[in-house]
Amino acid sequence: ETGVTQTPRHLVMGMTNKKSLKCEQHLGHNAMYWYKQSAKKPLELMFVYSLEERVENNSVPSRFSPECPNSSHLFLHLHTLQPEDSALYLCASSQVSGQGVYGYTFGSGTRLTVV
Amino acid sequence: QKEVEQDPGPLSVPEGAIVSLNCTYSNSAFQYFMWYRQYSRKGPELLMYTYSSGNKEDGRFTAQVDKSSKYISLFIRDSQPSDSATYLCAMSPYNTDKLIFGTGTRLQVFP
Repeated sequence: ETGVTQTPRHLVMGMTNKKSLKCEQHLGHNAMYWYKQSAKKPLELMFVYSLEERVENNSVPSRFSPECPNSSHLFLHLHTLQPEDSALYLCASSQVSGQGVYGYTFGSGTRLTVV
Repeated sequence: QKEVEQDPGPLSVPEGAIVSLNCTYSNSAFQYFMWYRQYSRKGPELLMYTYSSGNKEDGRFTAQVDKSSKYISLFIRDSQPSDSATYLCAMSPYNTDKLIFGTGTRLQVFP
């Protein structure tokens, strides 16, 4: 496996379900991110983990709960979602230095549909 | 005002045309500028990376940054149907790992 892999690729869930999205990076990067991509909107940053510590939580509703057990794995736990949460959820990783970041490597995303 | 503005398109051009994609921004602290390409049902992939002002060329692709006008461009020469995708600009200030993205421009190159 190379790059950033996300599972599942597609997920349909009811509003009362609990599910988790998984992300794994094979690049040795030290930061990981969750983004939400909705039609005709910019990518929305949800969570940032740098060196396994959550450094940013961008006012995301508590029905989204991230977990980063180590520098290679990132999860997004979902519960009691709303239909407006239907979107493409992208995981990304990067190597952050003192000057900044050379861009992200993205996974292919999980297409989430809440019914 | 959004931090980064990008025309969503779609932009439809014939094969072989020169394509110009643009973004404007409002934050003068941005120092790193990137272009990502996103094919349908895929995540974005980094296409071009530029630090501060100037031009950068890679094959058929040229990225330009004009910090005085807060304007960045991506040019695609001899466009191909395989260039059909959504192109997202992204930028960040110095000493941070937070990228701010545009909405993306959908490009269609027809044979």
